[in-house]
Amino acid sequence: AQTVTQSQPEMSVQEAETVTLSCTYDTSESDYYLFWYKQPPSRQMILVIRQEAYKQQNATENRFSVNFQKAAKSFSLKISDSQLGDAAMYFCAYRTYYGGSQGNLIFGKGTKLSVKP
Amino acid sequence: ETGVTQSPTHLIKTRGQQVTLRCSSQSGHNTVSWYQQALGQGPQFIFQYYREEENGRGNFPPRFSGLQFPNYSSELNVNALELDDSALYLCASSRGERSYNEQFFGPGTRLTVL
Repeated sequence: AQTVTQSQPEMSVQEAETVTLSCTYDTSESDYYLFWYKQPPSRQMILVIRQEAYKQQNATENRFSVNFQKAAKSFSLKISDSQLGDAAMYFCAYRTYYGGSQGNLIFGKGTKLSVKP
Repeated sequence: ETGVTQSPTHLIKTRGQQVTLRCSSQSGHNTVSWYQQALGQGPQFIFQYYREEENGRGNFPPRFSGLQFPNYSSELNVNALELDDSALYLCASSRGERSYNEQFFGPGTRLTVL
């Protein structure tokens, strides 16, 4: 069974600075998807960024980028130029490539990010 | 385009009771997944409905059941409530059951079991 581990329960960053959230996962599959989700205090989960395992290039979305190390099974999220609105719980998630009855999103326990003005 | 909505927002029940939670999927989406998020934890997959059929289930007992209707809205039913069922219940809809279909989450229903 696949597992996702986030070893940082809480992180803090100064506004305008850069922060990196860590995530490791365990799987025997070669094809899969990895995601970072943001859950603000209002609770609605929002997709931040996703990475297909077969792509070597790291995904980027504006100020958000990932460092995907397939061999090490590591998937970290870097937030540049942090803003107050970035404060939230961040969840790393895994999904098997084939979906359907094969399974759904597997989440880590989350990292609570605080942004200091 | 209307996003995923859930009702009610909050619910308080007592142990042993039954509860029904509702989810309206986003327009054009035929797949709904339900997740349980205990306090301080990440969401855990309960089950998925695709075109009105359950086509995937996580490690939850049979007292967790669901339905999907022809308009692709969905219900989660929990019988014989236990204290540990207290959690935020999230539903997510997508255009299809495949993994490349992004899941869009609703705001959740906070269930408290006393």
